[in-house]
Amino acid sequence: GAGVSQSPRYKVAKRGQDVALRCDPISGHVSLFWYQQALGQGPEFLTYFQNEAQLDKSGLPSDRFFAERPEGSVSTLKIQRTQQEDSAVYLCASSRQGGGADNEQFFGPGTRLTVL
Amino acid sequence: AQSVTQLDSHVSVSEGTPVLLRCNYSSSYSPSLFWYVQHPNKGLQLLLKYTSAATLVKGINGFEAEFKKSETSFHLTKPSAHMSDAAEYFCVVSNTGFQKLVFGTGTRLLVSP
Repeated sequence: GAGVSQSPRYKVAKRGQDVALRCDPISGHVSLFWYQQALGQGPEFLTYFQNEAQLDKSGLPSDRFFAERPEGSVSTLKIQRTQQEDSAVYLCASSRQGGGADNEQFFGPGTRLTVL
Repeated sequence: AQSVTQLDSHVSVSEGTPVLLRCNYSSSYSPSLFWYVQHPNKGLQLLLKYTSAATLVKGINGFEAEFKKSETSFHLTKPSAHMSDAAEYFCVVSNTGFQKLVFGTGTRLLVSP
Protein backbone atom coordinates (compact mmCIF):
# COMPACT_ATOMS: atom_id res chain seq x y z
CA GLY A 1 0.00 0.00 0.00
CA ALA A 2 0.99 3.64 -0.26
CA GLY A 3 3.20 5.09 2.40
CA VAL A 4 3.32 8.61 3.79
CA SER A 5 3.66 11.14 1.02
CA GLN A 6 4.79 14.74 1.22
CA SER A 7 4.67 17.60 -1.23
CA PRO A 8 6.47 19.41 -2.55
CA ARG A 9 9.67 17.41 -2.21
CA TYR A 10 11.74 20.57 -2.65
CA LYS A 11 10.81 24.17 -1.98
CA VAL A 12 12.89 27.28 -2.45
CA ALA A 13 11.54 30.45 -0.87
CA LYS A 14 12.79 33.97 -0.61
CA ARG A 15 13.15 35.30 2.90
CA GLY A 16 9.85 36.72 4.04
CA GLN A 17 7.66 34.49 1.88
CA ASP A 18 5.01 32.18 3.29
CA VAL A 19 5.19 28.46 2.51
CA ALA A 20 2.82 25.53 2.96
CA LEU A 21 4.00 21.94 3.20
CA ARG A 22 1.60 19.07 2.76
CA CYS A 23 1.53 15.61 4.31
CA ASP A 24 -0.68 12.71 3.27
CA PRO A 25 -0.52 10.05 5.98
CA ILE A 26 -1.17 6.37 5.53
CA SER A 27 -4.90 5.85 5.19
CA GLY A 28 -6.58 5.19 8.52
CA HIS A 29 -3.67 6.32 10.64
CA VAL A 30 -4.89 8.25 13.64
CA SER A 31 -1.68 9.97 14.70
CA LEU A 32 0.36 12.41 12.66
CA PHE A 33 3.66 14.03 13.57
CA TRP A 34 5.82 16.78 12.11
CA TYR A 35 9.59 16.90 12.62
CA GLN A 36 12.26 19.35 11.50
CA GLN A 37 15.69 18.05 10.46
CA ALA A 38 18.43 20.62 10.09
CA LEU A 39 21.49 19.75 8.03
CA GLY A 40 23.68 17.24 9.83
CA GLN A 41 21.28 16.86 12.74
CA GLY A 42 18.66 14.41 13.88
CA PRO A 43 14.99 15.22 13.41
CA GLU A 44 13.36 17.34 16.10
CA PHE A 45 9.72 17.10 17.10
CA LEU A 46 7.48 19.97 16.07
CA THR A 47 3.88 18.96 16.66
CA TYR A 48 1.47 16.03 17.02
CA PHE A 49 -2.13 15.40 15.96
CA GLN A 50 -4.53 12.72 17.02
CA ASN A 51 -7.21 12.78 14.36
CA GLU A 52 -7.96 16.51 13.90
CA ALA A 53 -6.91 17.51 17.41
CA GLN A 54 -3.50 19.08 17.83
CA LEU A 55 -2.44 17.60 21.14
CA ASP A 56 1.08 18.94 21.36
CA LYS A 57 2.69 21.88 19.58
CA SER A 58 5.49 22.41 22.04
CA GLY A 59 8.18 21.92 19.40
CA LEU A 60 7.06 24.68 17.05
CA PRO A 61 9.98 27.14 17.13
CA SER A 62 7.95 30.33 16.82
CA ASP A 63 4.49 31.69 16.18
CA ARG A 64 5.40 31.83 12.50
CA PHE A 65 4.87 28.08 12.39
CA PHE A 66 1.34 26.76 12.19
CA ALA A 67 0.02 23.25 11.54
CA GLU A 68 -3.46 21.96 10.88
CA ARG A 69 -5.26 18.73 10.12
CA PRO A 70 -8.87 19.83 9.73
CA GLU A 71 -10.44 16.53 8.68
CA GLY A 72 -8.15 14.22 10.53
CA SER A 73 -6.30 13.08 7.43
CA VAL A 74 -4.13 15.41 5.34
CA SER A 75 -2.03 17.89 7.30
CA THR A 76 -0.43 21.16 6.31
CA LEU A 77 2.53 22.84 7.98
CA LYS A 78 2.62 26.54 7.25
CA ILE A 79 5.56 28.82 7.84
CA GLN A 80 4.96 32.54 7.63
CA ARG A 81 7.61 35.13 6.81
CA THR A 82 10.29 32.50 6.29
CA GLN A 83 13.78 33.11 7.63
CA GLN A 84 17.07 31.53 6.63
CA GLU A 85 17.15 29.51 9.85
CA ASP A 86 13.96 27.77 8.70
CA SER A 87 15.96 25.97 6.01
CA ALA A 88 15.69 22.28 6.84
CA VAL A 89 14.02 19.05 5.84
CA TYR A 90 10.49 18.80 7.24
CA LEU A 91 9.43 15.24 7.93
CA CYS A 92 5.94 13.95 8.45
CA ALA A 93 5.15 10.65 10.15
CA SER A 94 1.95 8.78 10.90
CA SER A 95 1.06 5.89 13.16
CA ARG A 96 -1.92 3.60 13.40
CA GLN A 97 -3.19 4.56 16.83
CA GLY A 98 -2.81 7.40 19.22
CA GLY A 99 -0.49 6.83 22.14
CA GLY A 100 1.67 3.92 23.18
CA ALA A 101 5.21 3.05 22.27
CA ASP A 102 4.13 -0.01 20.31
CA ASN A 103 2.81 2.04 17.44
CA GLU A 104 5.47 2.42 14.80
CA GLN A 105 5.79 5.80 13.16
CA PHE A 106 6.07 5.62 9.37
CA PHE A 107 7.97 8.52 7.87
CA GLY A 108 7.52 10.30 4.59
CA PRO A 109 10.45 11.30 2.35
CA GLY A 110 10.39 14.87 3.64
CA THR A 111 10.24 18.32 2.10
CA ARG A 112 13.55 20.09 1.76
CA LEU A 113 13.00 23.81 2.33
CA THR A 114 15.68 26.28 1.33
CA VAL A 115 15.21 29.91 2.27
CA LEU A 116 17.36 32.36 0.33
CA ALA B 1 13.76 15.08 30.03
CA GLN B 2 14.78 12.25 27.82
CA SER B 3 17.79 12.27 25.53
CA VAL B 4 20.12 10.01 23.62
CA THR B 5 23.80 10.45 22.85
CA GLN B 6 25.34 8.79 19.84
CA LEU B 7 28.98 8.47 20.63
CA ASP B 8 30.33 8.43 17.08
CA SER B 9 29.40 10.78 14.27
CA HIS B 10 31.06 8.49 11.68
CA VAL B 11 31.93 4.80 11.70
CA SER B 12 33.91 3.17 8.90
CA VAL B 13 34.03 -0.59 8.37
CA SER B 14 35.00 -2.97 5.63
CA GLU B 15 32.42 -5.16 3.98
CA GLY B 16 32.07 -8.43 5.89
CA THR B 17 33.34 -7.06 9.21
CA PRO B 18 31.22 -6.41 12.32
CA VAL B 19 29.34 -3.17 12.89
CA LEU B 20 28.99 -1.42 16.26
CA LEU B 21 27.09 1.86 16.57
CA ARG B 22 27.00 3.20 20.12
CA CYS B 23 24.14 4.92 21.90
CA ASN B 24 23.63 5.99 25.50
CA TYR B 25 20.30 7.19 26.77
CA SER B 26 19.04 9.33 29.60
CA SER B 27 15.55 8.85 30.96
CA SER B 28 13.90 9.27 34.32
CA TYR B 29 11.78 6.18 33.78
CA SER B 30 11.85 3.01 31.75
CA PRO B 31 12.27 4.20 28.19
CA SER B 32 11.22 2.90 24.82
CA LEU B 33 14.22 2.89 22.51
CA PHE B 34 14.52 2.60 18.75
CA TRP B 35 17.04 2.58 15.97
CA TYR B 36 16.08 4.17 12.66
CA VAL B 37 18.05 4.16 9.40
CA GLN B 38 17.99 6.91 6.79
CA HIS B 39 19.27 6.23 3.30
CA PRO B 40 19.94 9.22 1.03
CA ASN B 41 16.76 10.68 -0.40
CA LYS B 42 14.65 8.09 1.39
CA GLY B 43 12.43 8.23 4.42
CA LEU B 44 13.43 7.06 7.86
CA GLN B 45 12.92 3.34 8.38
CA LEU B 46 12.54 1.57 11.70
CA LEU B 47 15.27 -1.04 12.25
CA LEU B 48 14.22 -2.27 15.67
CA LYS B 49 12.63 -1.23 18.95
CA TYR B 50 12.87 -2.00 22.65
CA THR B 51 9.74 -1.64 24.76
CA SER B 52 10.60 -3.39 28.07
CA ALA B 53 10.28 -6.93 26.77
CA ALA B 54 13.43 -8.91 25.88
CA THR B 55 16.61 -6.92 26.39
CA LEU B 56 18.17 -8.31 23.20
CA VAL B 57 16.18 -7.02 20.28
CA LYS B 58 16.46 -8.35 16.74
CA GLY B 59 15.61 -6.12 13.83
CA ILE B 60 15.59 -6.14 10.08
CA ASN B 61 18.57 -6.81 7.82
CA GLY B 62 20.49 -8.71 10.49
CA PHE B 63 20.77 -5.85 12.97
CA GLU B 64 20.28 -6.28 16.69
CA ALA B 65 20.62 -4.17 19.82
CA GLU B 66 20.93 -4.90 23.50
CA PHE B 67 19.30 -2.80 26.21
CA LYS B 68 21.64 -2.50 29.21
CA LYS B 69 20.02 -0.59 32.04
CA SER B 70 23.14 -0.63 34.22
CA GLU B 71 25.12 1.06 31.46
CA THR B 72 22.21 3.14 30.08
CA SER B 73 23.21 1.89 26.66
CA PHE B 74 21.43 0.59 23.56
CA HIS B 75 24.21 -0.20 21.08
CA LEU B 76 23.39 -1.42 17.56
CA THR B 77 25.36 -4.32 16.12
CA LYS B 78 25.55 -6.46 13.00
CA PRO B 79 27.91 -9.40 12.58
CA SER B 80 28.83 -8.71 8.97
CA ALA B 81 28.48 -5.39 7.14
CA HIS B 82 27.11 -5.17 3.63
CA MET B 83 27.64 -2.35 1.18
CA SER B 84 23.93 -1.61 1.30
CA ASP B 85 24.20 -0.85 5.04
CA ALA B 86 25.92 2.46 4.29
CA ALA B 87 23.50 5.09 5.63
CA GLU B 88 22.76 7.40 8.56
CA TYR B 89 21.59 5.68 11.74
CA PHE B 90 19.63 7.35 14.50
CA CYS B 91 19.17 6.19 18.07
CA VAL B 92 15.79 7.35 19.37
CA VAL B 93 13.99 7.45 22.72
CA SER B 94 10.30 8.02 23.24
CA ASN B 95 8.25 9.25 26.14
CA THR B 96 5.20 7.69 27.65
CA GLY B 97 1.76 8.79 26.67
CA PHE B 98 2.19 9.25 22.98
CA GLN B 99 5.04 8.39 20.75
CA LYS B 100 6.94 11.68 20.52
CA LEU B 101 10.37 10.64 19.36
CA VAL B 102 13.62 12.23 20.56
CA PHE B 103 16.44 11.59 18.09
CA GLY B 104 20.17 11.48 18.56
CA THR B 105 22.45 13.39 16.22
CA GLY B 106 23.07 10.36 14.04
CA THR B 107 25.99 8.13 13.06
CA ARG B 108 27.01 7.87 9.47
CA LEU B 109 28.08 4.33 8.60
CA LEU B 110 30.57 4.02 5.77
CA VAL B 111 31.21 0.57 4.28
CA SER B 112 34.22 0.03 2.06
CA PRO B 113 34.75 -2.92 -0.28
